[in-house]
Amino acid sequence: SQTIHQWPATLVQPVGSPLSLECTVEGTSNPNLYWYRQAAGRGLQLLFYSVGIGQISSEVPQNLSASRPQDRQFILSSKKLLLSDSGFYLCAWSGRQGRNQPQHFGDGTRLSIL
Amino acid sequence: GDSVTQMEGPVTLSEEAFLTINCTYTATGYPSLFWYVQYPGEGLQLLLKATKADDKGSNKGFEATYRKETTSFHLEKGSVQVSDSAVYFCALADTGRRALTFGSGTRLQVQP
Repeated sequence: SQTIHQWPATLVQPVGSPLSLECTVEGTSNPNLYWYRQAAGRGLQLLFYSVGIGQISSEVPQNLSASRPQDRQFILSSKKLLLSDSGFYLCAWSGRQGRNQPQHFGDGTRLSIL
Repeated sequence: GDSVTQMEGPVTLSEEAFLTINCTYTATGYPSLFWYVQYPGEGLQLLLKATKADDKGSNKGFEATYRKETTSFHLEKGSVQVSDSAVYFCALADTGRRALTFGSGTRLQVQP
């Protein structure tokens, strides 16, 4: 069966520090991969999605970036965090077989910026 | 563009009460519709889905019917339990768009 792992589960970082969140998927190949952010008490905002190695689409311009160095690995990064980057970050994957494929989410990373 | 509108929360119910969480959508194509549930401190889990008009998705006693004429996908459960307390998200996947569009979520609190 397929599984998705995110780490770390929680992270506290000072303003201006770098960020690296990692997500890996097991049990499937060529998945679509996604990064979302959920601000406190609000819905999900799509940040990035990827349909293959090295292929990244950005939905919202900001100081975050994403990379996909391997088929089942998706990394969210920042060179310099802002206070507004605080939130709950969720990685997700879906199959390739059209729009009926649901997305499957990791357990999330709670990021607090001080 | 695509959008999903959910009823504002929190929704507070007593155990065994009937639940309805309203969801309406706008989409340019012929979307698939989903309900996700998020328990405290966790990621989202797929609860149910429907891929075409008049389909009914169901799981764990929850149901939702894809109503194209009213562009709605309301979530219902006949008898809620304390363990159903969570945030529920309605979402759609539109034709030609890879990512989901989510509603803002509705928090459900079930009291014993």
